[in-house]
Amino acid sequence: QVQLQQSGPGLVKPSQTLSLTCAISGDSVSSNSAAWNWIRQSPSRGLEWLGRTYYRSKWYNDYAVSVKSRITINPDTSKNQFSLQLNSVTPEDTAVYYCARDEVAVAGHAFDIWGQGTMVTVSS
Amino acid sequence: EIVLTQSPATLSLSPGERATLSCRASQSVSSYLAWYQQKPGQAPRLLIYDASNRATGIPARFSGSGSGTDFTLTISSLEPEDFAVYYCQQRSNWPPAYTFGQGTKLEIK
Repeated sequence: QVQLQQSGPGLVKPSQTLSLTCAISGDSVSSNSAAWNWIRQSPSRGLEWLGRTYYRSKWYNDYAVSVKSRITINPDTSKNQFSLQLNSVTPEDTAVYYCARDEVAVAGHAFDIWGQGTMVTVSS
Repeated sequence: EIVLTQSPATLSLSPGERATLSCRASQSVSSYLAWYQQKPGQAPRLLIYDASNRATGIPARFSGSGSGTDFTLTISSLEPEDFAVYYCQQRSNWPPAYTFGQGTKLEIK
């Protein structure tokens, strides 16, 4: 049974960096058929995909245009997890952040496993 | 960017009735369309992927259809636990990106 467990602070100051981690159990961050994603949800922006990391003989990343200049997603193979860093945050980055798996072999191009969500508030 | 438009915004029905939810894409997404159910305080739950395939453990009363730009999620006979918000989602190949619709709230009439 695949599970994703998120961790990280719920409060970040404006202009600082938002950092979250997603620990994977039951699958591998180095899987050759899965991609590991970050998605956020807010009342103003709805569900918004932020980016992903995946391994296909080497590591790849894709990022949403809206955050491309501020985002980094990194895999950590030693801990079987992946992380999100979002720089220079503003109150508009306040949202519930989710990690999610995209496994083509199981669910096409959809997110079949989700983390529990982390409410992140950007405020001084 | 491909925009997904869901209708109606709110659907009021009674248990036992049939629900039909629509998702329209601004350009063709082939069959790369998924549907999710979300309840308050929970992460979205995958129902349908690749337009018409039920995800693992999803009851047969949920079905999806469509291709290209017009898609439908049908719930054949509503159970009390089906009242929630439903989202559609697509994946585009280039640039790689995923977008979601704005959601349809299915409420008890």
